[in-house]
Amino acid sequence: DVKVTQSSRYLVKRTGEKVFLECVQDMDHENMFWYRQDPGLGLRLIYFSYDVKMKEKGDIPEGYSVSREKKERFSLILESASTNQTSMYLCASSPGTGYGYTFGSGTRLTVV
Amino acid sequence: KQEVTQIPAALSVPEGENLVLNCSFTDSAIYNLQWFRQDPGKGLTSLLLIQSSQREQTSGRLNASLDKSSGRSTLYIAASQPGDSATYLCAVAPINTGTASKLTFGTGTRLQVTL
Repeated sequence: DVKVTQSSRYLVKRTGEKVFLECVQDMDHENMFWYRQDPGLGLRLIYFSYDVKMKEKGDIPEGYSVSREKKERFSLILESASTNQTSMYLCASSPGTGYGYTFGSGTRLTVV
Repeated sequence: KQEVTQIPAALSVPEGENLVLNCSFTDSAIYNLQWFRQDPGKGLTSLLLIQSSQREQTSGRLNASLDKSSGRSTLYIAASQPGDSATYLCAVAPINTGTASKLTFGTGTRLQVTL
């Protein structure tokens, strides 16, 4: 089975800090995704990557950046964390278009 | 723009009942539809993936159907158990000309199975 691992289950950061959320998949998937999930708003796509060093903005990229230097790792970066970025962050991967997604266990980020 | 709706938003049933969760989508041009389960504070677990050419998929007590022409999918859970209590999400992969197919999610059905 594909495994998608998010490095932290819970994080608490201060406003203005630079925050790195890490995601690693072990099945050589081409596509990787970062979502945030908020009550009443559902899952919203922040960024995705379709190959190493290739990335595209999703629906809500403002305040975030990403890095994919190796195929298995996709990092989400909050350049200067703000309280409105308190959320559940979910990473997913997929072999390619038309295939199913596998999600990680999520990172609950609180910005104080 | 693809929209995905799940009804009901919440459902409570006694243990042992069979139940159906509904998912509808507005654009039938999809690669596939995927059902997920999410426990509180956790990530999403994939339950079933139905390709657009398929009508149904089964896994244990779960059966998912897809009627692409009418924009509907159902998730049937047989003989429900308290351990089935969770939020169930459906998501469609729309066909587009972008670099990757990006899922569109419904808002979920929160299921509680009582003893």
